[in-house]
Amino acid sequence: DAGITQSPRHKVTETGTPVTLRCHQTENHRYMYWYRQDPGHGLRLIHYSYGVKDTDKGEVSDGYSVSRSKTEDFLLTLESATSSQTSVYFCAISAGTGIMNTEAFFGQGTRLTVV
Amino acid sequence: SQELEQSPQSLIVQEGKNLTINCTSSKTLYGLYWYKQKYGEGLIFLMMLQKGGEEKSHEKITAKLDEKKQQSSLHITASQPSHAGIYLCGADIIGTGNQFYFGTGTSLTVIP
Repeated sequence: DAGITQSPRHKVTETGTPVTLRCHQTENHRYMYWYRQDPGHGLRLIHYSYGVKDTDKGEVSDGYSVSRSKTEDFLLTLESATSSQTSVYFCAISAGTGIMNTEAFFGQGTRLTVV
Repeated sequence: SQELEQSPQSLIVQEGKNLTINCTSSKTLYGLYWYKQKYGEGLIFLMMLQKGGEEKSHEKITAKLDEKKQQSSLHITASQPSHAGIYLCGADIIGTGNQFYFGTGTSLTVIP
């Protein structure tokens, strides 16, 4: 298995609280991505990073922020969690120019419930 | 709007039957990826198609990308219970920068 770890794997939090999800890789890959997966929508890109301190928004970035202070860690923060952010979150890494040129590896997912 | 349309949404087949899953875009793709996801787990890469007309096979799974690079099909021959899961197509669509889109997924159940 590729060296990619998400933490926590499960979390229940209250509406309005901040939440941070962590993605850690040991592959030294340049690109890292955060997706959310919801029924009927498949996987949607939240934010991605193309290097340390280099990040950009995906298609569903509202209410989320990210940080990448070192190659191996990509943090996703829900600034003030809402029930609509209840989802399964996946982190992905890839070495190439964007996710398409090389194989992308995915974490096991974080199931987040906002009550 | 959904950049990648995947069909069908779900399939229930008897073991040994063949099946096909389709993934369609209205725009040209740089390439098309197929992934499999077991329920509650992460995604597993199956194969990548980059050239128009390209076809790849892995064990009993074959995927093809059409000449226009806008549609791909995934075909499973003689399905087995181990094939059950969610199949997702993913693609980098020309003109959208570094964003990577996924289809909505196809849930496959194989009945022994």
